[in-house]
Amino acid sequence: KNEVEQSPQNLTAQEGEFITINCSYSVGISALHWLQQHPGGGIVSLFMLSSGKKKHGRLIATINIQEKHSSLHITASHPRDSAVYICAVRSGSARQLTFGSGTQLTVLP
Amino acid sequence: NAGVTQTPKFQVLKTGQSMTLQCAQDMNHEYMSWYRQDPGMGLRLIHYSVGAGITDQGEVPNGYNVSRSTTEDFPLRLLSAAPSQTSVYFCASSGGLGLEMVNEQFFGPGTRLTVL
Repeated sequence: KNEVEQSPQNLTAQEGEFITINCSYSVGISALHWLQQHPGGGIVSLFMLSSGKKKHGRLIATINIQEKHSSLHITASHPRDSAVYICAVRSGSARQLTFGSGTQLTVLP
Repeated sequence: NAGVTQTPKFQVLKTGQSMTLQCAQDMNHEYMSWYRQDPGMGLRLIHYSVGAGITDQGEVPNGYNVSRSTTEDFPLRLLSAAPSQTSVYFCASSGGLGLEMVNEQFFGPGTRLTVL
């Protein structure tokens, strides 16, 4: 079973700060997902990565396959970025995802 | 498109009662799955389906049944509710099969279930 570890578990930042959330996994994967869970509970997909780097607005996701590690960066953070960020991995040809326990981000004005 | 819809949003049951959580998607996705989310833990897979008529167990299937009679619907049945099933339940779907392994998952809004 692929273990997925996220750090930190909780993160508080001031508006405008650069934020990094980390995700490590234990075995080879075919894809890694970053998800955002809003305070109201809804979950949306932010990124899906199998290599390299992706950028969408102020969000950047990177993955290092050799080191089994991914990072999610938020530039110029804003209070509306406050949410739980979840890393999930897909192994091989399986469709199922294994999830990390999430990082609670709070951005203060 | 409505995406993935779930009903009800909230439910309170007594121990031993049964109920069905509904999930539907209008994106013609083949793959659908049910997860439960508990405090301090990642989402855990209960059951999943790769197409109509095909279902399989995930990590925590005990106490739950599923069926997939159509592509659109994937209901989750609690046979005899227990307090350990108090959780938030999410349904998700994604498209593509076979060689197309990297697919975005779309989540429903969740059902918050309390078993007394």
